[in-house]
Amino acid sequence: DAGVTQSPTHLIKTRGQHVTLRCSPISGHKSVSWYQQVLGQGPQFIFQYYEKEERGRGNFPDRFSARQFPNYSSELNVNALLLGDSALYLCASSNGEMNTEAFFGQGTRLTVV
Amino acid sequence: TQLLEQSPQFLSIQEGENLTVYCNSSSVFSSLQWYRQEPGEGPVLLVTVVTGGEVKKLKRLTFQFGDARKDSSLHITAAQPGDTGLYLCAGRRSKLIFGTGTRLQVFP
Repeated sequence: DAGVTQSPTHLIKTRGQHVTLRCSPISGHKSVSWYQQVLGQGPQFIFQYYEKEERGRGNFPDRFSARQFPNYSSELNVNALLLGDSALYLCASSNGEMNTEAFFGQGTRLTVV
Repeated sequence: TQLLEQSPQFLSIQEGENLTVYCNSSSVFSSLQWYRQEPGEGPVLLVTVVTGGEVKKLKRLTFQFGDARKDSSLHITAAQPGDTGLYLCAGRRSKLIFGTGTRLQVFP
């Protein structure tokens, strides 16, 4: 079985641009969460989606948005990129909405220049 | 505000030594997970502890959940270079909250 897959693996963008990151969860998993991990720190929660509905949102500006599709894959969009948005963006998939184990993809390394 | 504080932040030891990593919070969690992350990769789940006081062993790794479900520890016996990585605890409430991380380096 394939694990959580994220694309692209690396991305370089210019300040002010927008970016779309993609995630395919483990087959059968209905929950997808997005995290931002700045170098040297632990991941910070951005969004959780379960059954195509937003179930949680972290302390991130409105420039960050996400959605989940009928096949449970997900996209994270970031508009008006800032240098500080440079980070590893991680997607985690879970079987249930809460209190279930999360399995992570390899992440998308975003560099904003 | 960081809900989960890990200590130490960095740890550099020789192969064969023992070590303990701590994960502390003032908040109660319904469960707590430990992950290991290598450079350029996503975190990999090591264990989930659910019950206060629970102890789980994974080969040379021993995980303990505090009685009050606010803290946890990870003990590694006879560390090996393959144990090198970033160790993250994560507490489950309505979402998964990660700790600050402990970067472990084991030298041969």
